[in-house]
Amino acid sequence: SQQGEEDPQALSIQEGENATMNCSYKTSINNLQWYRQNSGRGLVHLILIRSNEREKHSGRLRVTLDTSKKSSSLLITASRAADTASYFCATDAGGFKTIFGAGTRLFVKA
Amino acid sequence: DVKVTQSSRYLVKRTGEKVFLECVQDMDHENMFWYRQDPGLGLRLIYFSYDVKMKEKGDIPEGYSVSREKKERFSLILESASTNQTSMYLCASRAGLTGLSNQPQHFGDGTRLSIL
Repeated sequence: SQQGEEDPQALSIQEGENATMNCSYKTSINNLQWYRQNSGRGLVHLILIRSNEREKHSGRLRVTLDTSKKSSSLLITASRAADTASYFCATDAGGFKTIFGAGTRLFVKA
Repeated sequence: DVKVTQSSRYLVKRTGEKVFLECVQDMDHENMFWYRQDPGLGLRLIYFSYDVKMKEKGDIPEGYSVSREKKERFSLILESASTNQTSMYLCASRAGLTGLSNQPQHFGDGTRLSIL
């Protein structure tokens, strides 16, 4: 099974609203990453949070990490139609492999 | 910015053909990866390479092989294509000599491969 599992699987919101996506994982990690994928394209890295960090910001993105609960959340504030995409969490446990979840599909209605 | 280029965006091949998917990165990254992406299954790792001529099997290597003769190029080979290999194939690269690099992966735009 996948290390990272996103919740919800799909999310539909109005432009201007905030979008929150959650990720849970099973084993200890070195870092957790969030990626965005527009339809038919490759993944684009958004933000990386290390295991000793609790919160990180990048523009309208806010990521939290709770290693005791093995969970992370991605908050997109003041969403725009251009934020419509799939969002994936991914974990590195110290080896070469990065394990990706199945993703959350976000649809932002204009 | 890192650029990862996959040779084809769309490819149609026939069952039994030998298929080559090429990937080139321009940032001198040590690590390169091949994934396939199917609806509802997320990204599954096929093979990865941490150095020239080095390769490791991922989670689903059956039916595939890889080649890394030069640092910037990582090729995925479908030895005898089958219809269940119809999928989106994504190549990625990452800096760092070990898995503890705390570096993200950089992806190409993908190759949507159809096997008829």
